[in-house]
Amino acid sequence: KAGVTQTPRYLIKTRGQQVTLSCSPISGHRSVSWYQQTPGQGLQFLFEYFSETQRNKGNFPGRFSGRQFSNSRSEMNVSTLELGDSALYLCASSRGTTYGYTFGSGTRLTVV
Amino acid sequence: ELKVEQNPLFLSMQEGKNYTIYCNYSTTSDRLYWYRQDPGKSLESLFVLLSNGAVKQEGRLMASLDTKARLSTLHITAAVHDLSATYFCAVDTGDDKIIFGKGTRLHILP
Repeated sequence: KAGVTQTPRYLIKTRGQQVTLSCSPISGHRSVSWYQQTPGQGLQFLFEYFSETQRNKGNFPGRFSGRQFSNSRSEMNVSTLELGDSALYLCASSRGTTYGYTFGSGTRLTVV
Repeated sequence: ELKVEQNPLFLSMQEGKNYTIYCNYSTTSDRLYWYRQDPGKSLESLFVLLSNGAVKQEGRLMASLDTKARLSTLHITAAVHDLSATYFCAVDTGDDKIIFGKGTRLHILP
């Protein structure tokens, strides 16, 4: 059974650029969540999507956005990158909170 | 907003010893998750605890949930070096997100 797939695994971007990260959930999982992990702030919730609808959003600026497609795949976009956006971005999929969340391997973004 | 506190944040222990990691949270929830993270890796699901009094065990790890006390514990029995990792608890807020604790970095000395 395929797990949660995130692409790319690593990215290096320059300040001011924008970036798009992709997440393919486990087949049958309709909920996709995104988290940012940094040494200083830990794991912080970005947003959650279910059936193409954003159901919840964390306390991040509007530069962070996302979407979900009809096949449950999700993308997140960060515009006007800042040095502080350097982090590990993790995607998780779920078929319901009773079953918990399965995380992908993450995308490590470095902004220089 | 829901706050999740783990303690200790760092733990260095000898192989063969027992220890407990504590996870306290600030508002009502009856769903709590434990994850393991190895350096440079993603999060591996360990336990899903769904109700008051839930107890789950896997190998040398046992997790429990007391929703009335808003407390979960992760107990390590006879620690071995392979259990060295960072352990996170995460609490379901009930509105489609989970909030993580800061993690407990566990280092087991051979």
